[in-house]
Amino acid sequence: DTAVSQTPKYLVTQMGNDKSIKCEQNLGHDTMYWYKQDSKKFLKIMFSYNNKELIINETVPNRFSPKSPDKAHLNLHINSLELGDSAVYFCASSPNPGYGYTFGSGTRLTVV
Amino acid sequence: AQSVTQLDSHVSVSEGTPVLLRCNYSSSYSPSLFWYVQHPNKGLQLLLKYTSAATLVKGINGFEAEFKKSETSFHLTKPSAHMSDAAEYFCVVSDRSNTGKLIFGQGTTLQVKP
Repeated sequence: DTAVSQTPKYLVTQMGNDKSIKCEQNLGHDTMYWYKQDSKKFLKIMFSYNNKELIINETVPNRFSPKSPDKAHLNLHINSLELGDSAVYFCASSPNPGYGYTFGSGTRLTVV
Repeated sequence: AQSVTQLDSHVSVSEGTPVLLRCNYSSSYSPSLFWYVQHPNKGLQLLLKYTSAATLVKGINGFEAEFKKSETSFHLTKPSAHMSDAAEYFCVVSDRSNTGKLIFGQGTTLQVKP
């Protein structure tokens, strides 16, 4: 069983569209994260939820909205997609701070 | 604020020779430090972590790292490189707050030549 699974793995869409990326973890972890990896491979945190509560909301456009229906799921919805949103988005989970994360395999988003 | 600096963006070694990937950190208190590896078109895998126990940390696939507080360094080493080690390596610091936020270095690309 995959510990942290993201869907879809690849997503190609046109500018202006709205899309969602789903993430599920079966590790029983309390905290989940979304990270963005840009074309230079730099990783930066976007959001974090602890047991369905938003605890990190970095400087991210309002077009990005995370949703956590339960502590095993953290979805990312993106409105009005722009070319600059093209990146790889990683979901991750952690049992507690300082422990390190288990990452999903990533979603490669390409906006054309 | 915490930060990490990976001193080399690209390292090239021959198979069977030692690997050294350098990382310096900045932290206002005793940090948790990690090394992650990312193989091409794959996710990130935890290699090893330091959380204030032994300063020499052993990880998977023969990698190890030494926490040196006096030098604010956490360099990653391996005695003998294998072709399968070719990947992107990230040094990471945790802010140890209740958010568990990880701050990534810029990454080092390891090339292994036959």
